[in-house]
Parts: sequence; structure tokens; C-alpha cells
Amino acid sequence: KNEVEQSPQNLTAQEGEFITINCSYSVGISALHWLQQHPGGGIVSLFMLSSGKKKHGRLIATINIQEKHSSLHITASHPRDSAVYICAVRSRGSQGNLIFGKGTKLSVKP
Amino acid sequence: GAGVSQSPSNKVTEKGKDVELRCDPISGHTALYWYRQSLGQGLEFLIYFQGNSAPDKSGLPSDRFSAERTGGSVSTLTIQRTQQEDSAVYLCASSLGGRAGGYEQYFGPGTRLTVT
Repeated sequence: KNEVEQSPQNLTAQEGEFITINCSYSVGISALHWLQQHPGGGIVSLFMLSSGKKKHGRLIATINIQEKHSSLHITASHPRDSAVYICAVRSRGSQGNLIFGKGTKLSVKP
Repeated sequence: GAGVSQSPSNKVTEKGKDVELRCDPISGHTALYWYRQSLGQGLEFLIYFQGNSAPDKSGLPSDRFSAERTGGSVSTLTIQRTQQEDSAVYLCASSLGGRAGGYEQYFGPGTRLTVT
């Protein structure tokens, strides 16, 4: 079993829809990252969080440490949001490397 | 300011040859990471440098892989006697630090390695 599990693996939405991507992990962590990878391959860090909730524009990330679960929400989705969204965790006591989920491929149709 | 840069962007090599991949981290970032993304697979950790500390090499898949970081800045990932299974995108990232609690990692554009 992977230490970081994401769901769904693939997601197709209509423009304007509210989107939720889930991430569950099985290890103790010091931080969780949400990353975005566009079709060209470049990876951008969206959020790093260790508790509570963060918001940036139309993106919201939440984490529940007790339940070992995080969600990434996209409000008013747009075709430019189409990308692979990757959840990654830094396990407690690690020297800094991340453990990655397999990603959620999001496609937003106009 | 400039982001993380990697070179070359693409590399095609014959099986058995050695390759060197370069990463220039963001100036002032003390932590540097190498990751690999194989086709259809998720990202996997290879090696991590933090300041002058001994690197964490726990992710290197075999002794054909090695990396160094000179002067706390530029890093080179070397793959000796390349195999077809080494074909992947090799990504470098850097952050202000790497201690528990963490810092945001900034990723380079990657080097796409194809071993024929």
C-alpha cells in the first residue's frame, strides 16, 4: 500500500464546477504539499501546510492531522486548471525529502 | 529572481553510456533535492543535500547513480552505464532549508532522459 493515496485518479469537470481532490497518508508528517504539474511537465508548489486551512485565489487546501487526510478544492473551475495535482508529504523525522502520491489528472471542459 | 534551472532539457543516450545532469538551485537555497518521474509513474525521491551535512542518498536506485553538490550551490547527478529503465524525467528542487517543519520546494523544469 502506498504511503500517500490520492483520489480520484482522473477527474473530468465542466467549467464552473466545484472540484475536490483528496489525499490520505499513513505516516506521521511534518508538512503536506499540494503541487500542480501542467502538461508541459513543469511543477509548481500550490500549498504547504501542517494544520488547518489555506486559501489562494480559487484554491483552498485543508488538512486534518488526526485523520491523516487533506483535500484540495478548486472553486469556479476553469479549463486552465487542467493539470495533474500531486499530494506529497514530508514524513516526521525525515531529512527533507517528499513522499508523493500518484497524482490526480484533472480535465476541465469549457 | 531566477528559478531553479536544469540542463540539458533533453538528453538521448545509448545504453551503457554515462550521463551527467545539472541543477542550478535558487540563490540562497541551502536544500537541494533530486527526484525522478518515470513514464506513467509518480515522482520518487533520489537524493537530498542540506548545507554542509552528509547527503541523504537513501533514494538512489543503484550504485550507478551518484550526485554531488559543489560549493553548496550547483549539483550534478551522474548515471553510469545507463540502462533503458533509467529513462525518465529527472527533476531538481530547492528550498530555503530542509529541517522538520519544512519549506516550500521550488522545482526546475526537469531533464528528460531517454536511453536507447
